[in-house]
Amino acid sequence: GDSVTQMEGPVTLSEEAFLTINCTYTATGYPSLFWYVQYPGEGLQLLLKATKADDKGSNKGFEATYRKETTSFHLEKGSVQVSDSAVYFCALSSGGSNYKLTFGKGTLLTVNP
Amino acid sequence: DTEVTQTPKHLVMGMTNKKSLKCEQHMGHRAMYWYKQKAKKPPELMFVYSYEKLSINESVPSRFSPECPNSSLLNLHLHALQPEDSALYLCASSSQDYSTDTQYFGPGTRLTVL
Repeated sequence: GDSVTQMEGPVTLSEEAFLTINCTYTATGYPSLFWYVQYPGEGLQLLLKATKADDKGSNKGFEATYRKETTSFHLEKGSVQVSDSAVYFCALSSGGSNYKLTFGKGTLLTVNP
Repeated sequence: DTEVTQTPKHLVMGMTNKKSLKCEQHMGHRAMYWYKQKAKKPPELMFVYSYEKLSINESVPSRFSPECPNSSLLNLHLHALQPEDSALYLCASSSQDYSTDTQYFGPGTRLTVL
């Protein structure tokens, strides 16, 4: 079955540091890949997505590239802010009639001033 | 606009109460979802409605009863819940585009069962 593995953290960084959160996946076919962010006390927000190999998703300074050869979708940001403190979930969808999102366990990011 | 709204934001109920959670989207999406999320865990899928029909029930106890009155609304009726049902309940919707389906989540209802 489908699965997503992401570094669980917690990750603690200083403001303006470089961020990488690793995500690898196992899936049949050609899944779509997502990063969702959950700020404290809130629901999940779609941060970015990629639907085919070599696609790069980007939003709010965050980027992730769909690497089929390494089955990875690592999240990066060049300079984090305190406001980026949140839990980040990597997820995949195999599409078709499968409505299920397979989530990683989530990574708690804390950015200190 | 990619907004999914949920009411109420917080709910406290006793084990003998009956309450309902509501979810609404106006994006024309034809699939709607209920998830349960416990602290420090990813969301767990409970139910999926596709074109207003229940497509997936992930073996959820009958004390949770979903309802989809129309394509924009999704309810979750709660009855005789247990304290372990306390969690964040998230609603989501998607266009059901088979090639690039994306789920958009609401802000959630924080449920506490006493």
